[in-house]
Amino acid sequence: DAKTTQPTSMDCAEGRAANLPCNHSTISGNEYVYWYRQIHSQGPQYIIHGLKNNETNEMASLIITEDRKSSTLILPHATLRDTAVYYCIVRFIEYGNKLVFGAGTILRVKS
Amino acid sequence: DTEVTQTPKHLVMGMTNKKSLKCEQHMGHRAMYWYKQKAKKPPELMFVYSYEKLSINESVPSRFSPECPNSSLLNLHLHALQPEDSALYLCASSLKRIFPGNEKLFFGSGTQLSVL
Repeated sequence: DAKTTQPTSMDCAEGRAANLPCNHSTISGNEYVYWYRQIHSQGPQYIIHGLKNNETNEMASLIITEDRKSSTLILPHATLRDTAVYYCIVRFIEYGNKLVFGAGTILRVKS
Repeated sequence: DTEVTQTPKHLVMGMTNKKSLKCEQHMGHRAMYWYKQKAKKPPELMFVYSYEKLSINESVPSRFSPECPNSSLLNLHLHALQPEDSALYLCASSLKRIFPGNEKLFFGSGTQLSVL
């Protein structure tokens, strides 16, 4: 029901960039893409969100394709503390703009 | 203060007990949320309060009773729970913009509930 598709898991070497893909082919013009992460036994942590343009903040960059059907979250220099489940979420208008979590991607950063 | 504080962090209760979970934020947010997360699953939305009024109930059983006494506080009252209700209960808040698609939710660290 989340209507976003992410790989189940990914590995990344410490210090390298982690690129996490997400497909959201049914997204429409006013629907935002959000990324959250959840470290074991903690609450989800907001990372970044965007509509059409690429976004960057102190944590990550969000690259959204021109057709908006997919996006990539980039952690520029992954550390062991970035090991977490990463959720790509579209706030679909048909779902009342609710923040609905899908299965997410388990990112393992390895030394 | 950019925190959502949940208490208690852990709770063990019997099926006949009555207990309450508490959530507090002082960010001036006017939307507050309860999510439930079973082990190894994503969080699932339970309730949404907007300006202290219940706006969304995701068909949650009546043994879960939410309450929003003021704009900073959110409670979840628990009664006659079942063992399958054991989960991490997460509270969140957001600013409540006119267009809700463009507002981020801030989550607390959750209450780990075990029902025996």
